[in-house]
Amino acid sequence: NAGVTQTPKFRVLKTGQSMTLLCAQDMNHEYMYWYRQDPGMGLRLIHYSVGEGTTAKGEVPDGYNVSRLKKQNFLLGLESAAPSQTSVYFCASSRDGYSNQPQHFGDGTRLSIL
Amino acid sequence: AQTVTQSQPEMSVQEAETVTLSCTYDTSESDYYLFWYKQPPSRQMILVIRQEAYKQQNATENRFSVNFQKAAKSFSLKISDSQLGDAAMYFCAYRSALGGSQGNLIFGKGTKLSVKP
Repeated sequence: NAGVTQTPKFRVLKTGQSMTLLCAQDMNHEYMYWYRQDPGMGLRLIHYSVGEGTTAKGEVPDGYNVSRLKKQNFLLGLESAAPSQTSVYFCASSRDGYSNQPQHFGDGTRLSIL
Repeated sequence: AQTVTQSQPEMSVQEAETVTLSCTYDTSESDYYLFWYKQPPSRQMILVIRQEAYKQQNATENRFSVNFQKAAKSFSLKISDSQLGDAAMYFCAYRSALGGSQGNLIFGKGTKLSVKP
């Protein structure tokens, strides 16, 4: 039972480069989320999706874009990476966004921007 | 906007002892959910326990229990018979029952728990 799978697990980029983080879930969840985790800051929501074809901004969306072309996949893109985007990125999914059903998390991607 | 505060950046407990992690939140809503997540050094985010605001009874999951004080907006986590494997970062999180953007999880900044053998 895979749950939520993130690829890659580690990546080093140079400033200005672009990349896409992939999140896949096999639980048929409607809602998916991208967070970033920085020391002493907890988890902050970047973007989220309430269903296939939908996306919405979270708390810290600047510098990121997302797409949800398929229900099971949620992609996070960095068009022009900046050192401030060095962080650990987590993807999560949930059945809905209004009940006691928890979010299920991937194992995270550690991204370093030089 | 709702906020979640974990006032203890770090805590330490002796193996087999009991420890309580604090969490307070600010909301004007009456219907919501509260969660505790554990993040061990492996970086996984693991659900520990959840509480529905409409339930007066405190949730328990084996050695983990909560003290939910709705009027005080407090949601502390008690770990009994602490084990070395309990060493982790613990995050408290709030979710509104209204859905939409308000249904997103709001996390505290976390408490790092160390367990001494």
